[in-house]
Amino acid sequence: GQNIDQPTEMTATEGAIVQINCTYQTSGFNGLFWYQQHAGEAPTFLSYNVLDGLEEKGRFSSFLSRSKGYSYLLLKELQMKDSASYLCAVRDRNYQLIWGAGTKLIIKP
Amino acid sequence: DAMVIQNPRYQVTQFGKPVTLSCSQTLNHNVMYWYQQKSSQAPKLLFHYYDKDFNNEADTPDNFQSRRPNTSFCFLDIRSPGLGDAAMYLCATSGEGGSGANVLTFGAGSRLTVL
Repeated sequence: GQNIDQPTEMTATEGAIVQINCTYQTSGFNGLFWYQQHAGEAPTFLSYNVLDGLEEKGRFSSFLSRSKGYSYLLLKELQMKDSASYLCAVRDRNYQLIWGAGTKLIIKP
Repeated sequence: DAMVIQNPRYQVTQFGKPVTLSCSQTLNHNVMYWYQQKSSQAPKLLFHYYDKDFNNEADTPDNFQSRRPNTSFCFLDIRSPGLGDAAMYLCATSGEGGSGANVLTFGAGSRLTVL
């Protein structure tokens, strides 16, 4: 079967850096997405990786290693508004999106 | 602004009473999706349309139906809601069948409560 693994919950301090990991086992690979979802709201797109390496976008960066089936989302200079769930999703060989259950990130002052 | 709009945002229904959720988009995307998401779980794909081609996920119960009368609108019908159908229902669109970096754009969701 296809599977995406992420930690259920993480806690970090305002102003700090946090890394959220995602490992996947899918039938083929056609890109990996990170979405942010605030409680009770819809997911919003953060980043996309299809080649190995780091993609940087402001305070957020995402890394991919296809050989290891691994990605991480790095959040710098954490702000209280970053408290949310972060969903990892992989597009398989049939271009179907396989979703992780999300990592709930709690930011403390 | 181009967007995906879902109505209603909140729906309360009684056990077994049919419900229709709507989704409209101004993005002119040809692919539309319906997801069900329960608390702290991954979104679960119920259906998707590629233009007018309807694709039903194998494990989507018959209790769930969908209609797409035109490019802009899509509906989710729950014929006889059960307590287990209480969830957030998310509509999303994308520009193509999934190639490249086609990103899903989500509506704000419709939260269904079943009494």
